[in-house]
Amino acid sequence: EDQVTQSPEALRLQEGESSSLNCSYTVSGLRGLFWYRQDPGKGPEFLFTLYSAGEEKEKERLKATLTKKESFLHITAPKPEDSATYLCAVQGTQGGSEKLVFGKGTKLTVNP
Amino acid sequence: GAVVSQHPSRVICKSGTSVKIECRSLDFQATTMFWYRQFPKKSLMLMATSNEGSKATYEQGVEKDKFLINHASLTLSTLTVTSAHPEDSSFYICSARRGVNTEAFFGQGTRLTVV
Repeated sequence: EDQVTQSPEALRLQEGESSSLNCSYTVSGLRGLFWYRQDPGKGPEFLFTLYSAGEEKEKERLKATLTKKESFLHITAPKPEDSATYLCAVQGTQGGSEKLVFGKGTKLTVNP
Repeated sequence: GAVVSQHPSRVICKSGTSVKIECRSLDFQATTMFWYRQFPKKSLMLMATSNEGSKATYEQGVEKDKFLINHASLTLSTLTVTSAHPEDSSFYICSARRGVNTEAFFGQGTRLTVV
């Protein structure tokens, strides 16, 4: 069974203090790993898709990386508006499944 | 990015009544749509996967007769909560994707309160 574990559960940073969020996964065969941002009371907002180990993607202050066992979401010089819950999900190849398996998320708070 | 619109954003209904939630992909054709339920401070729980023109595939433990899903076209899926009870109160979210290996885009979510 595909599994995703995110750490830490919650992270408090000062504005400008860079850090990383971790997403560890086990999957029969990786079709894709996805990062989303979710604000309270709203649906998740798509950030990145990573398909193979070694792949990296960047968007503004965010950079996602992927290995065979985990993915990191690096946040450089965060701002208060980066505060949100960040979700990681994987899609495996087992049984032709189309569904995404989500982690529980990391709640990020950036203080001014 | 692709846009998925979910309606209504909030709904209050009485116990025993049914409520319908719509999910539309506005600028792309969605081969697959997903319905999730999210409890406070918890992650997304997949309820069912639907493909246009075919019956939805429900996750274990989800009552298909209670949560009716219709994927009538490549841009519209609906979730009907039948004979709602207070324990059905939750945040329901849909998502849609163009193809099997593409990212899924989410709607804004629907806050359902059953009184």
